[in-house]
Amino acid sequence: DTAVSQTPKYLVTQMGNDKSIKCEQNLGHDTMYWYKQDSKKFLKIMFSYNNKELIINETVPNRFSPKSPDKAHLNLHINSLELGDSAVYFCASSLSGSSRNIQYFGAGTRLSVL
Amino acid sequence: AQTVTQSQPEMSVQEAETVTLSCTYDTSESNYYLFWYKQPPSRQMILVIRQEAYKQQNATENRFSVNFQKAAKSFSLKISDSQLGDTAMYFCALNSPTGNQFYFGTGTSLTVIP
Repeated sequence: DTAVSQTPKYLVTQMGNDKSIKCEQNLGHDTMYWYKQDSKKFLKIMFSYNNKELIINETVPNRFSPKSPDKAHLNLHINSLELGDSAVYFCASSLSGSSRNIQYFGAGTRLSVL
Repeated sequence: AQTVTQSQPEMSVQEAETVTLSCTYDTSESNYYLFWYKQPPSRQMILVIRQEAYKQQNATENRFSVNFQKAAKSFSLKISDSQLGDTAMYFCALNSPTGNQFYFGTGTSLTVIP
């Protein structure tokens, strides 16, 4: 059973389109994250939700809108896609206040904007 | 502010040899956690090892061990008996229990040479 699953794994689309990436975790965690990894492999936090509430919102264009329908899901919707949005997007989850405090990652979604 | 610095963008090691990856960090928290994650070409982020700051004993997981120097804020990863499957990007990360954010370094690309 996959602990943190993202769909799709690959996404190729044209500039100007709107797309969504879905993320689900079955670990019982209460905190979920979205990261962007650029071509140089830098991992940059975009958003974090704790119990469906937004707690981290880094400087990200407002074309990016996360949505958390429940603790187990955190989806990322991107409007008006631009070439610079091409990257690998990772979803992750963790359990706040846990003594183990480990972050688990999904397999990533490679987004290519043409 | 909390930061994580990895000063070695690329490293290589001969198969069966030992290699050490460097990581320094900065935090004002008294309690925190440190991690090393591995990202092989498959791009899946895999937890390698974890250290709790209040524990003086260095963490060990099979061929992987850390040298945790709290006063110097240093957290290096030693890989013994390097194997071809160790070829990957390695990220050092910091988390404090008071927040749900994980801070990542810029990564070290390790190549194991046959």
